[in-house]
Parts: sequence; structure tokens; C-alpha cells
Amino acid sequence: QVQLVQSGAEVKKPGASVKVSCKASGYSLTNYDINWVRQATGRGLEWVGWMNPNSGNTGYAEKFQGRVMVTRNTSTSTVYMELSRLRSDDTAVYYCATPGGDSDFDYWGQGTLVTVSS
Amino acid sequence: QSVLIQPPSTSGAPGQTVKMFCYGDTSNIERNYVYWFQQLPGTAPKIIIYKNDERPSGVPDRFSGSTSGTSASLAISGLRSEDEADYYCAAWDDSLSGWVFGGGTRLTVL
Repeated sequence: QVQLVQSGAEVKKPGASVKVSCKASGYSLTNYDINWVRQATGRGLEWVGWMNPNSGNTGYAEKFQGRVMVTRNTSTSTVYMELSRLRSDDTAVYYCATPGGDSDFDYWGQGTLVTVSS
Repeated sequence: QSVLIQPPSTSGAPGQTVKMFCYGDTSNIERNYVYWFQQLPGTAPKIIIYKNDERPSGVPDRFSGSTSGTSASLAISGLRSEDEADYYCAAWDDSLSGWVFGGGTRLTVL
């Protein structure tokens, strides 16, 4: 069955970078896009960006342009989301998601809490 | 401020029908499919409606979606206590070239 397993919680200082991983199993990573969505505590969902793991093509939400980079390692079926120049308002749970035939968000990782605090 | 606008809360008694709305514009809801997600506390969102009005396998037919112009709605009939959750709408936005979400509606089952 399709599973997305994300890396553990991170605590970072303002100005630092964080790299969150999302390991896919149960299907071939290169078959489907991966989207990244974040959610600050008590807030709504916010799309961060996507990657086509086959081609390596990416797209990012305008507010993250220049600060986010999504990469992949096809040999380990893992996609990474790196966010740089962290600010306190980047504190959120970051999710990866992938299609399953119905939508681009059929399967979700368990989420990774990134806390930005001095 | 979310691109798609959802009322922050709604409520209903068990057995009743509730309808929640999602307001967008011509670059998202009017031109592209709408998706609805249910999120229980402490868990990842779960898709409950895709392509405006389709239900994924395993989602009860008490859940239904529809669209009209630049708005979308999610109806839940025969309300049950386990339906108490946050509900989010989403759509692709052609102007932004990205996915946009609503701010979410918290459903309380009285």
C-alpha cells in the first residue's frame, strides 16, 4: 500500500535552513508528483510547492519563491523540501502528499513539525 | 488571508444536514475542479470530495459536493458525532499557477 513517511520534528533558529524528507513506498516514486503543504498551529492549509520526481520539474507558491527547494533521490524513493532563511512564522507542520487516482492529495505523510525559535 | 474563503465555523445537531461554502473566483473555482478535505485533530487531511462532486472509495454518501460559478459547497447529511472536524476546500489557481486552499470551516456536532 502507498505510504509516505516523513522525517522527524526539527527545531531551528531564525535565519537557518531546514530539510524535511518524505520517503515513498508501495509505488514507484517517479510515477506521481509530490506536493508539499504546511499548516501553522491552529491555522489552515497552505500549499508550498510540488515536484515531478521523474523529470525533476518543480513549482513553488509565489510567497516561497527563492526560499524553498524541492529535490529528490530516486534511488531511495525520497523527496526533500528545504526551506531557508527561516522565520518564526515558518513554524508549522509540513506535509507531503501524492496522488492515488482521485486527486493530487490522496495520500499524505504523517507531517513534520518545524519549530523556528531563538 | 486564504485565496479561497470559507466561513470559520458551522454546527448542526445529529441527524441534521449541514452545508458549508467555499468562495473563490474565475481563476480557481470557476475554471478548475474543487476538492474537499476533512481533518480530524492531530491528523493529516483526508480527501472526501474530488473533482467537485466525486467521492473516493470508502467515503459515505452522506458527503456530497457541488459547484456553481465561483463558489463550491459541501453538504453532510445525517450528521454524526464523528463528522466533527475541520473541512478545507482547495482548487488549482490559473493566475497563481498553484494550489490554493480555503481557511477551513470547523464543524461542531451539537
